[in-house]
Amino acid sequence: SQQGEEDPQALSIQEGENATMNCSYKTSINNLQWYRQNSGRGLVHLILIRSNEREKHSGRLRVTLDTSKKSSSLLITASRAADTASYFCATEKGGTSYGKLTFGQGTILTVHP
Amino acid sequence: DTAVSQTPKYLVTQMGNDKSIKCEQNLGHDTMYWYKQDSKKFLKIMFSYNNKELIINETVPNRFSPKSPDKAHLNLHINSLELGDSAVYFCASSQEETQYFGPGTRLLVL
Repeated sequence: SQQGEEDPQALSIQEGENATMNCSYKTSINNLQWYRQNSGRGLVHLILIRSNEREKHSGRLRVTLDTSKKSSSLLITASRAADTASYFCATEKGGTSYGKLTFGQGTILTVHP
Repeated sequence: DTAVSQTPKYLVTQMGNDKSIKCEQNLGHDTMYWYKQDSKKFLKIMFSYNNKELIINETVPNRFSPKSPDKAHLNLHINSLELGDSAVYFCASSQEETQYFGPGTRLLVL
């Protein structure tokens, strides 16, 4: 079954607004990663947060992780039209599952100029 | 200077045919992967190789056979193609936790 589930499935905002996407998962994890996929392209890694971290920043991205609720959120601040893409969370359990990423269904973000 | 490359980019074929997709990475990574992304954009891991050895083999039909001639290459051969095999197949590589994806191969089985 799917490990990560994302919410909302689609998000439409204006340039300059913030975008928040949420991800929930079911089992304990070693880390959680966020990837972006532009239409017709491969996935690009955005940020990784480990199970012992609660928040991480990278440029306009802020990721939080709540292991007690088994959830994560990705915040993109001051969005741009170029941020239009699908965003996926992926979890890694570690141990014998090292390297095995389980992806959510993704959130389709549309940023209108 | 593409990091992870796949060929072909598009593949249209008839049911029952056999086809191969090739993947190469020039990042010097030890681990490579194959993923399948379906029409609903759900991405699922199929195989993973580390230094030419199979380490992850999800419940994939044995019509799918990965081959790693060296650690920079991981090819995917599919026998007796079925309609349900239509999807986008992504190759990826990693050295640690971050994975680097290729551009994908869009396979359409008619």
